[in-house]
Amino acid sequence: DGGITQSPKYLFRKEGQNVTLSCEQNLNHDAMYWYRQDPGQGLRLIYYSQIVNDFQKGDIAEGYSVSREKKESFPLTVTSAQKNPTAFYLCASSPRGSGSTDTQYFGPGTRLTVL
Amino acid sequence: QQPVQSPQAVILREGEDAVINCSSSKALYSVHWYRQKHGEAPVFLMILLKGGEQKGHEKISASFNEKKQQSSLYLTASQLSYSGTYFCGTEEVGVNDYKLSFGAGTTVTVRA
Repeated sequence: DGGITQSPKYLFRKEGQNVTLSCEQNLNHDAMYWYRQDPGQGLRLIYYSQIVNDFQKGDIAEGYSVSREKKESFPLTVTSAQKNPTAFYLCASSPRGSGSTDTQYFGPGTRLTVL
Repeated sequence: QQPVQSPQAVILREGEDAVINCSSSKALYSVHWYRQKHGEAPVFLMILLKGGEQKGHEKISASFNEKKQQSSLYLTASQLSYSGTYFCGTEEVGVNDYKLSFGAGTTVTVRA
């Protein structure tokens, strides 16, 4: 089955630690995205990538880093510089990176809690 | 530019109808609608392109008024399964950055 997988589903981290969230897709999509969702709020874009070895900052990139070494993988690292990292993190992918006719499909999400 | 959704929340009884609006101050090329159940990922419902297109999904339909820069989602004869938070994602005309801007969401609760 084709789809987007994120792991782990739940993640706990101590303050001051970096943590990496995994996102893998086997849909052969070119574009991938990371969003953060806080309770009762919409989706805020952290980083996105339209092609391998290239990525752009979204609206709230500070304290996060990404890499895109393979088409199917787009891991997100939440660094200790992120002041309020507790949130629900969603990864998405899109066939050609164009929002006009190719919508975004979401993974199941990772809920990160900082203790 | 983040679109504005209204209302923030709506409570319905089974069989009732509701309308959710998504408005932008910018000219829109496309509007994408999603539904998210609590603790789950958003699920794609439909996409509307510039041109006043109207689409449907089950008894959920939507329209896109490009002059008003607004899209509306219509929940007809609501079912319990329609409960969730509905988001619109928009792409602006002339902004080819392959991003969607999402509204804050409208929480729909359907009661028996």
